[in-house]
Amino acid sequence: AQRVTQPEKLLSVFKGAPVELKCNYSYSGSPELFWYVQYSRQRLQLLLRHISRESIKGFTADLNKGETSFHLKKPFAQEEDSAMYYCARSSFSGGYNKLIFGAGTRLAVHP
Amino acid sequence: EAGVTQSPTHLIKTRGQQATLRCSPISGHTSVYWYQQALGLGLQFLLWYDEGEERNRGNFPPRFSGRQFPNYSSELNVNALLLGDSALYLCASSFGQVSVGQETQYFGPGTRLLVL
Repeated sequence: AQRVTQPEKLLSVFKGAPVELKCNYSYSGSPELFWYVQYSRQRLQLLLRHISRESIKGFTADLNKGETSFHLKKPFAQEEDSAMYYCARSSFSGGYNKLIFGAGTRLAVHP
Repeated sequence: EAGVTQSPTHLIKTRGQQATLRCSPISGHTSVYWYQQALGLGLQFLLWYDEGEERNRGNFPPRFSGRQFPNYSSELNVNALLLGDSALYLCASSFGQVSVGQETQYFGPGTRLLVL
């Protein structure tokens, strides 16, 4: 079965420290990878996607096909980065593309 | 552009009752997804509807069901409610997913269901 694994339920760092939220996916074809974020009292929203190769709010994510990973990184964490982060991958089956989400990692940035 | 809307925002039921949750997708989106976000369990995929048909369902019992209407809005029904069904239920929508790049899902604010 196609899976997305986020090994850390909680990641706690201090403001200004580097952050890396881990994401590993099961290999199948050439999936698209995504990071979604849910800030407190806000709806879940797309943070960035692999295909865009963009940096959003200082976050970047590099697709490593050899390690089947798509870790989310930020060199200097800010308190407003505290949120729940979900990694997701596309999965093509039955003629349709869908998203498979990981269990999520809660990032807590302390002052 | 209006986002995904869900109603009600909160719902309180007792064990054994039925709950009906509603979702309106972004205009132009034909796919609707339902997720359960229980405390400490992350995002669990429930159901996926596209063009009025159920395309896929997650690992949930049959008492979780739903449908999609001709205007692409959707209902999630949960029968014979259990205490453990208490959670935030999220709806998301996207364009038809035939092509790569159309999978981006846009989420609603959720319906918080409390089963007493």
